[in-house]
Amino acid sequence: DQQVKQNSPSLSVQEGRISILNCDYTNSMFDYFLWYKKYPAEGPTFLISISSIKDKNEDGRFTVFLNKSAKHLSLHIVPSQPGDSAVYFCAASVDSGAGSYQLTFGKGTKLSVIP
Amino acid sequence: GAGVSQSPRYKVAKRGQDVALRCDPISGHVSLFWYQQALGQGPEFLTYFQNEAQLDKSGLPSDRFFAERPEGSVSTLKIQRTQQEDSAVYLCASSLGPFSYNEQFFGPGTRLTVL
Repeated sequence: DQQVKQNSPSLSVQEGRISILNCDYTNSMFDYFLWYKKYPAEGPTFLISISSIKDKNEDGRFTVFLNKSAKHLSLHIVPSQPGDSAVYFCAASVDSGAGSYQLTFGKGTKLSVIP
Repeated sequence: GAGVSQSPRYKVAKRGQDVALRCDPISGHVSLFWYQQALGQGPEFLTYFQNEAQLDKSGLPSDRFFAERPEGSVSTLKIQRTQQEDSAVYLCASSLGPFSYNEQFFGPGTRLTVL
């Protein structure tokens, strides 16, 4: 069962416009949500996160929104730039009960920003 | 070092061979995670170390997979008698602490291809 779902495999956006990437989850025990960005042949790099007790977190051009009742989060990028073209992974963490907070990832959304 | 490093970057093995994948975490990072990323999927948790102690190995897919971190720094993921389904990118991540708010820094991964 996939606990974190990114239903859009790809998204194309014009440079300067808003990019909205969506993510749904099923495990209500998740306490922290993160977005990672990944370029080809590189490991994922952390972008932005949000605690489950908040509904919005903003960092420059990036804003993450969390709707706990809908078990949905989204990443907004404004304005989108060609360098934002990458695969974006939504991830969530919960205490495993074994002393760790490993991440559960979605399948990713490939964002293409068209100049 | 400046980031998490992994070696080799690419590994081709014949079915049935044993392989060893190395991870050098960021100096001083207590927590170390291994993830497996199959083609078109998000990373999936394999195992977690806190210093030299392997606290969680619930994600290891079979007893052919073994990981160690004997001195609490470098870690090795070993796969015995490799199978074609083991073909994936193996990602290592380290973090300062074990909690959800501790950012996990990922290495570039080792791409394993089993023929």
